[in-house]
Amino acid sequence: SQTIHQWPATLVQPVGSPLSLECTVEGTSNPNLYWYRQAAGRGLQLLFYSVGIGQISSEVPQNLSASRPQDRQFILSSKKLLLSDSGFYLCAWTRDRHNEQFFGPGTRLTVL
Amino acid sequence: GIQVEQSPPDLILQEGANSTLRCNFSDSVNNLQWFHQNPWGQLINLFYIPSGTKQNGRLSATTVATERYSLLYISSSQTTDSGVYFCAVVLGSGNTGKLIFGQGTTLQVKP
Repeated sequence: SQTIHQWPATLVQPVGSPLSLECTVEGTSNPNLYWYRQAAGRGLQLLFYSVGIGQISSEVPQNLSASRPQDRQFILSSKKLLLSDSGFYLCAWTRDRHNEQFFGPGTRLTVL
Repeated sequence: GIQVEQSPPDLILQEGANSTLRCNFSDSVNNLQWFHQNPWGQLINLFYIPSGTKQNGRLSATTVATERYSLLYISSSQTTDSGVYFCAVVLGSGNTGKLIFGQGTTLQVKP
């Protein structure tokens, strides 16, 4: 069966510091991968998606970036965090764009 | 862009009661999913239901794609059903698989 991992689970970072969040999927190959962000009390918003190694598409312009160095690894990064980057970051995978998506446990980021 | 609207926004039930949550969407979709977000933030997949009816224990869901709505039924509610329920869709015309979420229904089940 497939599983999706995210780490760290929680993170407190000062404004201006760098960020690296990691997502890995087990038990499948060549998945579509997604990064979503959930602001407090709101629905989820897609940030990035990837259909293969090195292929990244951005949905929302911001100071975040994403990379996919391996088939089942998806990384969310920032060079300098802003207060507005605080939120709950969730990674998801699917076999193809019309199939069911499954989410990881999420990373709760607080920028102070 | 596509609008996904959920109702009601908040719902309080007594344990054992039944409820119906609704999701309306404004365009044709290729995928519709219902999720339960637990107190730790984890999104639990309830149903993948672009059309038709499915049942899983006390929960069932129906999507009428031609009329652009989906319903989630919770019967004999339990306190563990508390949390936020999200409906999310993938546009029929899209090529990314992006899930577009509604704002959720917050359910509180009282003992």
